Amino acid sequence: AQSVAQPEDQVNVAEGNPLTVKCTYSVSGNPYLFWYVQYPNRGLQFLLKYITGDNLVKGSYGFEAEFNKSQTSFHLKKPSALVSDSALYFCAVRDRNNFNKFYFGSGTKLNVKP
Amino acid sequence: DTGVSQDPRHKITKRGQNVTFRCDPISEHNRLYWYRQTLGQGPEFLTYFQNEAQLEKSRLLSDRFSAERPKGSFSTLEIQRTEQGDSAMYLCASSVQETSTDTQYFGPGTRLTVL
Repeated sequence: AQSVAQPEDQVNVAEGNPLTVKCTYSVSGNPYLFWYVQYPNRGLQFLLKYITGDNLVKGSYGFEAEFNKSQTSFHLKKPSALVSDSALYFCAVRDRNNFNKFYFGSGTKLNVKP
Repeated sequence: DTGVSQDPRHKITKRGQNVTFRCDPISEHNRLYWYRQTLGQGPEFLTYFQNEAQLEKSRLLSDRFSAERPKGSFSTLEIQRTEQGDSAMYLCASSVQETSTDTQYFGPGTRLTVL
């Protein structure tokens, strides 16, 4: 069974500090991994994805994520948080055997305080 | 705006009524997906279209739910005899078939409240 876990419901960080939002996955075979962000009353916006190749993936708005196969993790990171980064973040995995399906984590609320 | 659009954005209905939502995907995206998102949860897959063909349906999609994409462009999701448990955000996403790595782009969602 494919699944994604986001162990933290909420992450609090001060503006200017680095941030990490955690994601672990469980899939058969090699995964396709994604991060999306959701602002209030809006749909999900694509941030970045890992398909293959370099384990460090760079995405929109200065975000990056590191794929770690041995730890089955795909943590989202940003060197310096902005107040405007405050939102709900979702990690997702796509089943390589069934490309139609995305499995989303339960989301992590990021609060960046000035 | 060339993104995915959904209509209406909000719908309040009484239990037992039928509702229909519309999704307009990004132009030339041949894949279209419906998801349901409840408070505190990530989106859950409901169904998927490639062009006009509905290729997959989740077990979450009970007999009261039906989705169509008649001309391979916009799609509708109908819920018959709504129940309070149907209250959720219904999200539509689209993608263009390139390889298995195509990215899904989401609309703003339709928030359904069943009284």
